[in-house]
Amino acid sequence: EAGVAQSPRYKIIEKRQSVAFWCNPISGHATLYWYQQILGQGPKLLIQFQNNGVVDDSQLPKDRFSAERLKGVDSTLKIQPAKLEDSAVYLCASEEGGTSYNEQFFGPGTRLTVL
Amino acid sequence: AQSVTQLGSHVSVSEGALVLLRCNYSSSVPPYLFWYVQYPNQGLQLLLKYTSAATLVKGINGFEAEFKKSETSFHLTKPSAHMSDAAEYFCAVRSNFGNEKLTFGTGTRLTIIP
Repeated sequence: EAGVAQSPRYKIIEKRQSVAFWCNPISGHATLYWYQQILGQGPKLLIQFQNNGVVDDSQLPKDRFSAERLKGVDSTLKIQPAKLEDSAVYLCASEEGGTSYNEQFFGPGTRLTVL
Repeated sequence: AQSVTQLGSHVSVSEGALVLLRCNYSSSVPPYLFWYVQYPNQGLQLLLKYTSAATLVKGINGFEAEFKKSETSFHLTKPSAHMSDAAEYFCAVRSNFGNEKLTFGTGTRLTIIP
């Protein structure tokens, strides 16, 4: 079974530029998550999708971050414009869905450096 | 509100020694608890989870954790450390009521001394 795919793996941009990350979840997984992991901290949820609908985006900085999951499969997370404090690893995870004790499967992440 | 506290951001043990990584949780309702491991430049991988069945949970790679309600703890242990256990370990909590998000601790970096 293929895992969660993410691209690019690394990205370096200057502040005020825009950037986009892509995620392809495990086939059949209805729930998709984007997390932000700042160095030395645990992952923090940015947004949760159930199929192609948003379930929770309460911690997404909506003035600069946006995300979509068209057709309920892969997803894109965008930052525009980027700030220095956005430097982090952005993790995508997927889950079969249905119960709170389901395992979330994580992709390898995209490491973003904002200069 | 739910949260987890991981005591010790860095833990070092000798190869073959006992590994003990501490996690205490705070939750207003019975929680589900998880331990994830993260190797360098990789995503997180589930080690084990507590879902209100057995209080002693066995996971992959020889790890286990015991849920202790009276101590609000879910410490991770392994009897004998191996060099390949060097990684970052995250404890996480999720409520079993509603659609609460998974909340992670700040992580513990485990170093194995040869």
